[in-house]
Order: sequence, then structure tokens, then C-alpha cells
Amino acid sequence: EVQLVESGGGLVQPGGSLRLSCAASGFTVSSNYMTWVRQAPGKGLEWVSVIYRGGNTYYADSVKGRFTISRDNSKNTLDLQMNSLRAEDTAVYYCARDPCSSTSCYPGAFDIWGQGTMVTVSS
Amino acid sequence: DIQMTQSPSTLSASVGDRVTITCRASQSISSWLAWYQQKPGKAPKLLIYKASSLESGVPSRFSGSGSGTEFTLIISSLQPDDFATYYCQQYNSYWTFGQGTKVEIK
Repeated sequence: EVQLVESGGGLVQPGGSLRLSCAASGFTVSSNYMTWVRQAPGKGLEWVSVIYRGGNTYYADSVKGRFTISRDNSKNTLDLQMNSLRAEDTAVYYCARDPCSSTSCYPGAFDIWGQGTMVTVSS
Repeated sequence: DIQMTQSPSTLSASVGDRVTITCRASQSISSWLAWYQQKPGKAPKLLIYKASSLESGVPSRFSGSGSGTEFTLIISSLQPDDFATYYCQQYNSYWTFGQGTKVEIK
């Protein structure tokens, strides 16, 4: 079964750090674009970061310089290292797949989503 | 940055109604638009990609249209399972979501 399962969320103080992980099954993380999307309580969806098949990474302005996306090909996982956390980073964080075909890869829609992991930044 | 604006923000409808949700982009995004359905406490679910292509397994009562800056999601006959929040998403330049449209029971 193709699925994504996030872990690592929790309560952290402002200025602190947290590392989220997303375990994939049924497909290979490194063969696709993989993204993080977040949703603050009662709010809409916000794209956070992407790692391309070739390894290039991009970030929303709101997290640039504080968050780092990476993948572990041996474990087939996607990670998000979050530093200098702020109250406004409080959200459910989802990992999602932007699928590549066997011959091409370009930004597209997110067809597989994890169940989400809650991050709360509060003192 | 490309901004996405959905209307209405909330929509009250009855089972069997035809429902239309509009999404406008701040600049042309060609057909690089997706629609998602999200229920409370759940992850979003992809419904439509490339403005009008139905994702596998999604009921045919869902359809999408538009190009450039104006897009529409239509639910031809609203079913009890369709009461949810719907988001549009552009992927012409990175990714941006609309603010969402909540479809409520009338």
C-alpha cells in the first residue's frame, strides 16, 4: 500500500528545535518530489518546503533559513529539521508526494498525503 | 508570489444541489491548478489536477474547468459525503493554496 506516516511532532518552546520525519511505503521517496505542507489550527493550507528528485530544495519565505528539508534514501524517509521555532509555526505538518513519471518530473499536484503531525510552539 | 482567491468562503447547500466554487489566480497559471477536499481532522485528498483531470477513484460528479486566472470546481449533485472544505492550489510557480471554501449543510 502506498502511504506516508509522519512522526516527531510535539510541544516545543519558542526558539527551540524539532525534527519531523515522514516514512514512505509502497514507493521510493528519492524518485519523486516530496513536500511539507502545514495547517495552523482553524486555518488553510500553506506549502512549506520541497525536495526535488535531483536533491534541490526550496522553502517558503516564512521558514527560509530556519527549516531544512532532507531525505534518507536508505530508510526511504523525508525529514524536516525546524530550528528557531516561533508561535506562528504552530500547525499540523503534512508530508505529501508530488509524483514523477519514469521519464519526467515537474511540479504538480500532491497525490499522496500523510495523516499529519501536530507541532505546538508555546512556553 | 502567486495569490489564489476562492469564493465563496462558505457555501450552504442541500443534498442533490449543484455546487460551484471559484478560484482566481493573481496571474496566469495556464492549467496548473489542483482541487482538494479536506474533512475535519483528515489530510487533504486530491480531486482534480491540471484544472480538469479527475484523479483516479474520484466520483464523476466532481469536475473542474478553467485556464489562465479563473477556475471552477463543480459538484453536479451534492452527496452527504461531500460536506467538507475545498481548496484550490496552483503549481505554476512553487505551490500556493486558496483560503478554502467550506460546504455546509443547508
